[in-house]
Amino acid sequence: EDKVVQSPLSLVVHEGDTVTLNCSYEVTNFRSLLWYKQEKKAPTFLFMLTSSGIEKKSGRLSSILDKKELFSILNITATQTGDSAIYLCAPGGSQGNLIFGKGTKLSVKP
Amino acid sequence: DGGITQSPKYLFRKEGQNVTLSCEQNLNHDAMYWYRQDPGQGLRLIYYSQIVNDFQKGDIAEGYSVSREKKESFPLTVTSAQKNPTAFYLCASGTSSYNEQFFGPGTRLTVL
Repeated sequence: EDKVVQSPLSLVVHEGDTVTLNCSYEVTNFRSLLWYKQEKKAPTFLFMLTSSGIEKKSGRLSSILDKKELFSILNITATQTGDSAIYLCAPGGSQGNLIFGKGTKLSVKP
Repeated sequence: DGGITQSPKYLFRKEGQNVTLSCEQNLNHDAMYWYRQDPGQGLRLIYYSQIVNDFQKGDIAEGYSVSREKKESFPLTVTSAQKNPTAFYLCASGTSSYNEQFFGPGTRLTVL
């Protein structure tokens, strides 16, 4: 059975801190892993990872995938209050479906 | 203006009533998905469709029904058989070739 485990489930930090969010997975016919940020409503796309060891960056956010150990991490440096959100990890198989983890709720205090 | 729209934004229903949630996309995506999200939970797949006139059950399809008569539209009906329908419902679309999915703004359903 496909499964995704995100850790920690919640995290409280102060502005300027660096955080690392973890995602481990077991997915049949794995093709890619996506990270989403969810604030009040719809998840918004952050990254799609398909290859091991290649870091993807967008501003203060970066992510990397390890297909051998079946995990991914999402790093956020110099956190800001606007980074407060739920971060969802979603590996996908060859059929196009995504399997979502429960998410990590990040709270950034001023 | 391309994207996915869902309506209504908020929906209240009495027990025993069926309700239909709308989802429309103009991204020319073949695949469309319905998810349910409960507090503290990730997204759980209800139904998905990869092509017009075809759809498959997801992990929690019981008490729900869908149709896919047009590429742009994938309405979800929450039937009276769904025992705990109060939740946040998200529709998404994407291509079968890639896993990236784009989400609509969601519908929050409350059963009174």
